[in-house]
Amino acid sequence: EVQLLESGGGLVQPGGSLRLSCAASGFIFSGRAMSWVRQAPGKGLEWVSSISTSGDETYYADSVRGRFTISRDNSKNTLYLQMNSLRADDAAVYYCAKLTDDWGQGTLVTVSS
Amino acid sequence: DIQMTQSPSSLSASAGDRVTITCRASQGISNDVAWYQQKPGKAPKSLIYAASSLHIGVPSKFSGSGSGTDFILSISSLQPEDFATYYCQQYHTYPYTFGPGTKVDI
Repeated sequence: EVQLLESGGGLVQPGGSLRLSCAASGFIFSGRAMSWVRQAPGKGLEWVSSISTSGDETYYADSVRGRFTISRDNSKNTLYLQMNSLRADDAAVYYCAKLTDDWGQGTLVTVSS
Repeated sequence: DIQMTQSPSSLSASAGDRVTITCRASQGISNDVAWYQQKPGKAPKSLIYAASSLHIGVPSKFSGSGSGTDFILSISSLQPEDFATYYCQQYHTYPYTFGPGTKVDI
């Protein structure tokens, strides 16, 4: 059974940083591109970032490029999202996803002073 | 960037009804479209990939079609557990983009 378990969310002040993690199991992690998708309260789904199987290729939404960094550790079956210079409009539930297939349960990021 | 639009934005239906949701891409994307179902407070669930391929375990009441720019999700014989918000998503080109969603309620 595929499992994607996010962690690292929480309350952070504007301008602060957080690192999200996603522990993957139940599939060959190193063989799949991975993504982060977020959903602000009451809003729709927004693709944030994706990373290739080896980690050599990364892609970002314009809204986060230069502030967020996606990475992966295939030896630990773990996906990361380093989020810097956080803004109020970054507040959302962040989902780790093997897009078109499986999703994690999400982790809530709140940005407030 | 490829824009994805969905219609309608919401619809009211009754148990047993058949509903159709349309998704349109701003440019041709072959069949690189997925459909997701999301219930309040829950993570999205993948229903369909490659425009018309049903994920294992997804009931055959769900079906997808289309290619190029126009795509359709159909749900036959609606049941209470099908009332949710449905999203399309293109994965043809980065940045990947989602449609704004269609809320299906009673």
